[in-house]
Amino acid sequence: QDHLVQSGPEVKKPGASVRVSCKASGDTFGNYGLSWVRQAPGQGLEWMGWISTYNRNTVYAQKFQGRVTLTIDTSTTTASMELRGLRSDDTAVYYCARDRAPRRLDTFDLWGQGTMVTVSS
Amino acid sequence: DIQMTQSPPTLSASVGDRVNISCRASRGISTWVAWFQQKPGKAPKLLIYKASILQNGVPSRFSGSKSGTEFTLTISSLQPDDFATYYCQLYDSFWTFGQGTKVEIK
Repeated sequence: QDHLVQSGPEVKKPGASVRVSCKASGDTFGNYGLSWVRQAPGQGLEWMGWISTYNRNTVYAQKFQGRVTLTIDTSTTTASMELRGLRSDDTAVYYCARDRAPRRLDTFDLWGQGTMVTVSS
Repeated sequence: DIQMTQSPPTLSASVGDRVNISCRASRGISTWVAWFQQKPGKAPKLLIYKASILQNGVPSRFSGSKSGTEFTLTISSLQPDDFATYYCQLYDSFWTFGQGTKVEIK
């Protein structure tokens, strides 16, 4: 059964950068797209961006353009999300999520467990 | 960008009730709408995709429908395990979530 396993919690100071990783098992890599979604404490879900694991194409939410970079490492089947210029309102749980269908933009049927990122001076 | 307006923000209901949650798109869209359930401290779970298709393993008391620009998630008979927060999602060239609906015990 496929899984997405994310890296551990992070505490960062304002202005710093954070990188969260998402290791995929099974046949995710080479076949599916992966999105990153965040959720601030007590708030709703916010989509940040998408990366294809089959051609490395990316799509970013306008809000995060220029501040977030999505990458993949096919040798370790790991996707990463880097967010720069951290502010206190970036404090959130960050999730990776896999497209439901292979090789097409789709909704998400597989999620990582989430990574808490806390931004505090 | 297309916005998804979800209502109500909170819904109080009893076990056995029929529950409807709505999402309205800011303009006409296709059927690329999904519904998720989220419980505290957990990742969201996919319930419905393409407006009305039930995800494998999801109980049949959940259903989805579309009328014009309005999408509805219906729980036909609310069960104790269904008290949670529900989100709609538009997925097309971008992905957009509704604001969420918390279903509480009445």
